[in-house]
Amino acid sequence: QVQLVESGGGVVQPGRSLRLSCEVSGFTLSSYGMHWVRQAPGKGLESLAVIWYDGNDKYYADSVKGRFTISRDNSKNMLYLQMNSLRAEDTAVYYCARDHGRWDWFDPWGQGTLVTVSS
Amino acid sequence: QSVLTQPPSVSGAPGQRVTISCTGSSSNIGAGYDVHWYQQLPGTAPKLLIYGNSNRPSGVPDRFSGSKSGTSASLAITGLQAEDEADYHCQSYDSSLSGSVFGGGTKLTVL
Repeated sequence: QVQLVESGGGVVQPGRSLRLSCEVSGFTLSSYGMHWVRQAPGKGLESLAVIWYDGNDKYYADSVKGRFTISRDNSKNMLYLQMNSLRAEDTAVYYCARDHGRWDWFDPWGQGTLVTVSS
Repeated sequence: QSVLTQPPSVSGAPGQRVTISCTGSSSNIGAGYDVHWYQQLPGTAPKLLIYGNSNRPSGVPDRFSGSKSGTSASLAITGLQAEDEADYHCQSYDSSLSGSVFGGGTKLTVL
């Protein structure tokens, strides 16, 4: 069945870097756009970045532009989020999610990985 | 501050009907972009509940329904059950931001 599994979260100091991974299975990754979405404690969902099909087309939310980089390796069925210059406000659960089409609905979602930015 | 506006909380007794609103603007819902809804049970990831304004994925009970009009959308839940207690999020596309946007989420409490 279609499945997304995130990894790479943890506790990191402000200003440091972290890379999240999302392993997908049950579908052909190159056929879908993939998103990273985060949810700060007690808050709503925030769409961070999307990468389309072959990885040449990417979009970022202003809140992470210039600090985060989304990438994918279709041959390895992997999606990544490189997070640099982390701030306390980046503390959240990070989810990867599959786009049904192009700027459509997100389904399915991974289980999420918690990133805590703290000294 | 979320681009789409939802009430922070709603509540209802078992068996009752509740609605959750999602208000946008002329650059998202009002521009004709579809609205999608997600259910997030406590401690779990969001799950698709309604797509394309009013369509239910396989397995979602017909107690859940969605609608859209103008710059707003609504999620209705009839025959409220204890298991419906969750956070509900709306999502659309915004042409000004060139990206997907979410509402702030609504916590449904079943009394």
